[in-house]
Amino acid sequence: AQKITQTQPGMFVQEKEAVTLDCTYDTSDPSYGLFWYKQPSSGEMIFLIYQGSYDQQNATEGRYSLNFQKARKSANLVISASQLGDSAMYFCAMREVGRSNDYKLSFGAGTTVTVRA
Amino acid sequence: DSGVTQTPKHLITATGQRVTLRCSPRSGDLSVYWYQQSLDQGLQFLIQYYNGEERAKGNILERFSAQQFPDLHSELNLSSLELGDSALYFCASSPTSGGVDTQYFGPGTRLTVL
Repeated sequence: AQKITQTQPGMFVQEKEAVTLDCTYDTSDPSYGLFWYKQPSSGEMIFLIYQGSYDQQNATEGRYSLNFQKARKSANLVISASQLGDSAMYFCAMREVGRSNDYKLSFGAGTTVTVRA
Repeated sequence: DSGVTQTPKHLITATGQRVTLRCSPRSGDLSVYWYQQSLDQGLQFLIQYYNGEERAKGNILERFSAQQFPDLHSELNLSSLELGDSALYFCASSPTSGGVDTQYFGPGTRLTVL
């Protein structure tokens, strides 16, 4: 079963506007972590932000914030004040901690963001 | 720069050949993870090592093997290569073997099998 679902294959956003990337997850593990990574066209995977399942507040890192809705099992990434350099593929990932014997990241299919000038 | 290094950056080889991909984790990180990114499968976990020992296995083919050395660098060996093995191979590292440590990724090795 798909553990991470990203339903938006591609999105366009105007420079300086905000964009929300959707991510829903599926787990019965009470302890898990949610991550967002950015992959520009050059190919590297860049860590952006992390949210733990027990964290009470939504994570923020500069222009990135994570809208964590635990009951709905969603962890949407919000990028504020988009810049041309934000054009990239964005991946949502989950790491189950409580019951799993391994700590691999399970990735979604990714969302391509294109920022227009 | 994540602090994780991978060599080579690009590798072009023929079917049936064997290659070795190398990864050096961030300073102080004990865990190394290998992932494969392909167009049809997306990002898939292959294997994890922690302080020299295999900790977890994912969708790793029997033709593939890995190890982590005493200096904590890791190598992923791919043998009897097939066209379908063409992919971007990432190494990631984290401080420990569990919890919710962030995994930091290297720049990847792009393997092309002709």
